[in-house]
Amino acid sequence: GAGVSQSPRYKVAKRGQDVALRCDPISGHVSLFWYQQALGQGPEFLTYFQNEAQLDKSGLPSDRFFAERPEGSVSTLKIQRTQQEDSAVYLCASSLAQGMYNEQFFGPGTRLTVL
Amino acid sequence: TQLLEQSPQFLSIQEGENLTVYCNSSSVFSSLQWYRQEPGEGPVLLVTVVTGGEVKKLKRLTFQFGDARKDSSLHITAAQPGDTGLYLCAGHFSAGNMLTFGGGTRLMVKP
Repeated sequence: GAGVSQSPRYKVAKRGQDVALRCDPISGHVSLFWYQQALGQGPEFLTYFQNEAQLDKSGLPSDRFFAERPEGSVSTLKIQRTQQEDSAVYLCASSLAQGMYNEQFFGPGTRLTVL
Repeated sequence: TQLLEQSPQFLSIQEGENLTVYCNSSSVFSSLQWYRQEPGEGPVLLVTVVTGGEVKKLKRLTFQFGDARKDSSLHITAAQPGDTGLYLCAGHFSAGNMLTFGGGTRLMVKP
């Protein structure tokens, strides 16, 4: 497909379990973003990559959250020792280049439910 | 903490009615975008406004950027059931790449 894809689309985890969420950006897109969207809220920024470099991780809520993009393409967001407050939709977006005038294309998200 | 305030949070109207959604901040935006999000999908960009006072039209949708670049509005004329969804404003507050989103306005248009 031509768009951003995310997997899994749904994930149910028991509290304390580790999870890994995958994002496949649009081919050739340099920038990649992760956002967290709680139920009934707008997305909130988590972290940003330019190619393989993580340039901004100021939005990660705790050291349990870790993101990587080792080859500058696919990215993985990992959450360790999940807590109930981690339940949310995790959105990935990519853009062709850096800069605020470059449109971010969003994937469908991964809905994480922590029991 | 959301730096963008959207109002109203919820709006339920009849087909054919007009509506306006507002997005406000105490800070100046470098640029502002409006998105529409449907259940189970990611946000889809509708428009980007950059210049204070700018007005853009997209069919029945009119977007306005305040002169001071601290506020914006989305006006929909003759709403249709297909307009139902979550409308989000999002801004860049500096030259950075990250978007700061408002809390969203959930619109339902009844036939």
